[in-house]
Amino acid sequence: ETGVTQSPTHLIKTRGQQVTLRCSSQSGHNTVSWYQQALGQGPQFIFQYYREEENGRGNFPPRFSGLQFTNDSSELNVNALELDDSALYLCASSHWRDLNTEAFFGQGTRLTVV
Amino acid sequence: GENVEQHPSTLSVQEGDSAVIKCTYSDSASNYFPWYKQELGKRPQLIIDIRSNVGEKKDQRIAVTLNKTAKHFSLHITETQPEDSAVYFCAANLYSSASKIIFGSGTRLSIRP
Repeated sequence: ETGVTQSPTHLIKTRGQQVTLRCSSQSGHNTVSWYQQALGQGPQFIFQYYREEENGRGNFPPRFSGLQFTNDSSELNVNALELDDSALYLCASSHWRDLNTEAFFGQGTRLTVV
Repeated sequence: GENVEQHPSTLSVQEGDSAVIKCTYSDSASNYFPWYKQELGKRPQLIIDIRSNVGEKKDQRIAVTLNKTAKHFSLHITETQPEDSAVYFCAANLYSSASKIIFGSGTRLSIRP
C-alpha cells in the first residue's frame, strides 16, 4: 500500500451538481496532484498543490478547484458537473525535493455523472 | 506543453518472451521518467523510474532505457509471466516552476499461456 487514501471510493452525481473528493496524503509529503482518468485512457493532470497553494495546472476549466491542508489532506472540488466528468479521479502525493518526485497514488474515486 | 506518446496501445506476448513498450516526449526540460503498472480497477503503481542523468536502469526482469537526445525511453520486461498482464503507462515529469507528471496513453499487455 502507498499510504495515500481517497474517499469516497464510488460516487454518483447528477449533472449540474457539485462534488468534493478527498485525499489523505502519505505522511510527510508536501505535494499533492490530482488526475482524471477516463475509461481506457491515461491519467490526465488536473493540478498540483504544494504547501497549500496551487502550483501548476493542466487543461481543465476553473470549475475544477482544490484545496490542500496542513494535516496531509486535500480536496478536489468540481462545480456544475457535466456527463464527461465521469471518470476515475486519482490523487498522488510526493515530497518535492530537488528532482525526486516519485508520486504515490491513492486507489481513486470513481465518479459517475448521470 | 509536454506531450508523451506511447506505443503500442496493445501488446500480446507468449509467456516467457520479452515485451517492449516505447515512449517519446516533447519537452527537453523533462528530467524524470516513471513507469506505472495499473491492474484492472486498481491504482497505478510505480514499477521503475529513471532520471535524465542515467541512460539505463534495471530491476530484476524490468529495465528502462532513456535516450535524451532522441527523447525516447523504453520499458523492457523479460521472461514475462501471467501476472505481468496489465496496462502500463509511461510518464514524463516536467520540472519547471511546478512538478507534474504527464502520462502516455497506456499499453495493454497480455501474456499468453
